[in-house]
Amino acid sequence: DAGVIQSPRHEVTEMGQEVTLRCKPISGHNSLFWYRQTMMRGLELLIYFNNNVPIDDSGMPEDRFSAKMPNASFSTLKIQPSEPRDSAVYFCASSLGSQETQYFGPGTRLLVL
Amino acid sequence: KNEVEQSPQNLTAQEGEFITINCSYSVGISALHWLQQHPGGGIVSLFMLSSGKKKHGRLIATINIQEKHSSLHITASHPRDSAVYICAAPSPNTGNQFYFGTGTSLTVIP
Repeated sequence: DAGVIQSPRHEVTEMGQEVTLRCKPISGHNSLFWYRQTMMRGLELLIYFNNNVPIDDSGMPEDRFSAKMPNASFSTLKIQPSEPRDSAVYFCASSLGSQETQYFGPGTRLLVL
Repeated sequence: KNEVEQSPQNLTAQEGEFITINCSYSVGISALHWLQQHPGGGIVSLFMLSSGKKKHGRLIATINIQEKHSSLHITASHPRDSAVYICAAPSPNTGNQFYFGTGTSLTVIP
């Protein structure tokens, strides 16, 4: 198995632009998690899907952030408009169940200028 | 106060040393995760444990649910063990929100 796949691996954009991060979970996993990691705040859970349905989005910082999971093999995290404080590494992880071991993708390193 | 606290924050060891990283949490949980983040940024889930002890190679994780404490041990440490180790406790309410420790940065010197 290829593991969790994220794209792009790096993204540099200007403030105000729309950013879309993509994630392909491990086949057969029915739970998907989006995390953000910064030096100041460490790892934070943004949103969690179970069977393609958003279960808990209380970690999403504000309305500029949205996440979708149109099918079991694809999820997006969108930031519109982006701001410099959104600069971080965004990780996607998947697991067989919400309480099972999570497998992390390589992360997307986002820099908003 | 952080729900999950790790110690030490930074640790430097000589190759071959026995290493212990501690994690204390204030929330009531049924399981705790240990993660490893390599210098390149990739994150690997090492253990998820709810009681007792788990062992994987040179890594051993223990947890005491009553005392709300977990430890990660590395025996015969090696420079490739150099990484940031993070403990994470799921929220007792939702089980999906995680409280993360700030991480322990380990450097093993040859």
